[in-house]
Amino acid sequence: QSVLTQPPSVSGAPGQRVTISCTGSGSNIGEGFNVHWYQQLPGTAPKLLIYDNINRPSGVPDRFSGSTSGTSASLAITGLQAEDEAVYYCQTYDSVGLTGSTVFGTGTSVTVL
Amino acid sequence: LQLQESGPGLVKASETLSLTCSVYGGSIISYEHYWAWVRQTPGGGLEWILSMFYSGSTYYNESLISRVTYSIDASKNQFSLTLKSVTAADAAVYYCVRVYGVAISETYVDTWGQGSPVTVSP
Repeated sequence: QSVLTQPPSVSGAPGQRVTISCTGSGSNIGEGFNVHWYQQLPGTAPKLLIYDNINRPSGVPDRFSGSTSGTSASLAITGLQAEDEAVYYCQTYDSVGLTGSTVFGTGTSVTVL
Repeated sequence: LQLQESGPGLVKASETLSLTCSVYGGSIISYEHYWAWVRQTPGGGLEWILSMFYSGSTYYNESLISRVTYSIDASKNQFSLTLKSVTAADAAVYYCVRVYGVAISETYVDTWGQGSPVTVSP
């Protein structure tokens, strides 16, 4: 099971704002490791959406924004659009164990009503 | 840059799974990237398997370390994954990915392959 917990699903009407939480612990987000977010559209591989907590790769709309606080991170989508319907995953590093590990969140399915 | 996995599709339980990733449009010799394998279970969860630097530094998911081996062939611009003694729990889509970052604790996936589905038969 993942060390990063996300809500299974969130939904919103077009134009609304939705947020997705990513809850970790003191050995990952709480230790200051950066959080990254991925978007997986149906039938495709995940795609980088946010890196280093707040940065958007070229081509990602500014409707997507990331933040962190304590042992959690959040992804916000403002002005929700039909094309945003996808599964979103957070990712960070966890220091538990001999060498630590890259860890992913459980994933959140976003539905546009 | 594009990544393309190749694999058997179907493997029998207790046997060995071998996957290869071909890198196109860029060199596998990079000082700011790792090359890694990530799998996605039928339930959707993503699991990191290992990350390897072209020079040989490798970081493993400790739960899989006893069954995983890897190789990297700079002359062919390819890297590979071998997973021994597979079980039904290893059925997944296996992605080869490029990981940006120098410190392993500060890396993220900037490029994904299309994925190679693997089914495990009894």
